Amino acid sequence: QQQVKQSPQSLIVQKGGISIINCAYENTAFDYFPWYQQFPGKGPALLIAIRPDVSEKKEGRFTISFNKSAKQFSLHIMDSQPGDSATYFCAAPKRGGSNYKLTFGKGTLLTVNP
Amino acid sequence: DAGITQSPRYKITETGRQVTLMCHQTWSHSYMFWYRQDLGHGLRLIYYSAAADITDKGEVPDGYVVSRSKTENFPLTLESATRSQTSVYFCASSDSAALGNQPQHFGDGTRLSIL
Repeated sequence: QQQVKQSPQSLIVQKGGISIINCAYENTAFDYFPWYQQFPGKGPALLIAIRPDVSEKKEGRFTISFNKSAKQFSLHIMDSQPGDSATYFCAAPKRGGSNYKLTFGKGTLLTVNP
Repeated sequence: DAGITQSPRYKITETGRQVTLMCHQTWSHSYMFWYRQDLGHGLRLIYYSAAADITDKGEVPDGYVVSRSKTENFPLTLESATRSQTSVYFCASSDSAALGNQPQHFGDGTRLSIL
């Protein structure tokens, strides 16, 4: 089974700080690496995604950094806000499958204190 | 409203009972998925479907049955529920993934407790 290792399990930051969540994946021939955000009582929702032909993608305060040689990618949340408090999941395509079959990391519970 | 809806939102049942979780999407997406979410395990794929009448197993299919007679519906059945199947179940859908990079759209989940 394809493994996606996500860290840390939980993270507490102060308002205005930078939140960083890391993921590592096993070898894959596919090229789509999304991050999902989940609020309590809701389903996950796509936050931002990257293809490994670029090393970084930024959308507002959210940035994915991708290191293909190390098979790692990370989510940076700049100027973290209390409304960012949620669980974040990285995902990577399953080996032998297509991009629509994703393996998810175990999640990171982010708490942003006011 | 367009979207993906799951029913029921909450369900309590007993071991050995059959229970069916419903999922309906209005986008006419080709792909549909069932995941379970458990503390410490994240999201694990149970079954998925690429189109009506085409289904395949995911990571943890044992004890579950799916069907997809219509594009918009993808019910998940626990034929004989066990306590280990207590979980939050999420349905998701995605547009054709011929070139990949298609987001999965999730419902709000069904919280299932098996006593």
